[in-house]
Amino acid sequence: GQQVMQIPQYQHVQEGEDFTTYCNSSTTLSNIQWYKQRPGGHPVFLIQLVKSGEVKKQKRLTFQFGEAKKNSSLHITATQTTDVGTYFCANGNQFYFGTGTSLTVIP
Amino acid sequence: DAGITQSPRHKVTETGTPVTLRCHQTENHRYMYWYRQDPGHGLRLIHYSYGVKDTDKGEVSDGYSVSRSKTEDFLLTLESATSSQTSVYFCAISETGQNTGELFFGEGSRLTVL
Repeated sequence: GQQVMQIPQYQHVQEGEDFTTYCNSSTTLSNIQWYKQRPGGHPVFLIQLVKSGEVKKQKRLTFQFGEAKKNSSLHITATQTTDVGTYFCANGNQFYFGTGTSLTVIP
Repeated sequence: DAGITQSPRHKVTETGTPVTLRCHQTENHRYMYWYRQDPGHGLRLIHYSYGVKDTDKGEVSDGYSVSRSKTEDFLLTLESATSSQTSVYFCAISETGQNTGELFFGEGSRLTVL
């Protein structure tokens, strides 16, 4: 199946530092989605990437889809305490989610 | 937020008892999903539905059954709960389904099996 692996599992950063999480698949993905889950909350959709090499930005968040459509990344510039939570990638058919990266931001 | 209601939100039960979790949506979305979330495993798909009475298995379907008799309701049943089924269960809905639609998640149901 189109399982996706996600690293790192945990990341602690000082407020203002950058953060990146990576998602990798052994097979080519039709598309990839990213979700954010605040502590105690439910996952919330952030974005979907479809095209090879696609880059999308949402304020301080930058999402990339690899040229081979086998990997993706989420980069947050100058983290804030509001960025705290777990970030998940999911393959396009939503059958498989990555294990998530839990981000802690130290004020 | 999308109109998704999960019930119950919290349940404690004993091994061997049946449990049914309900997901109710007011969005009239065709696709509905049940996931479980466990530390270190992320979200894993249990079952999904692509229409009334149309359901299929996900990655971790053993020990679970589902039913969808109406567009708005998707039920997840544990016929005989086991401690390994202690988890947080999320229902999700999608308007367009696989490869196109974003998922909208409910608030989650925390199940503890003693």
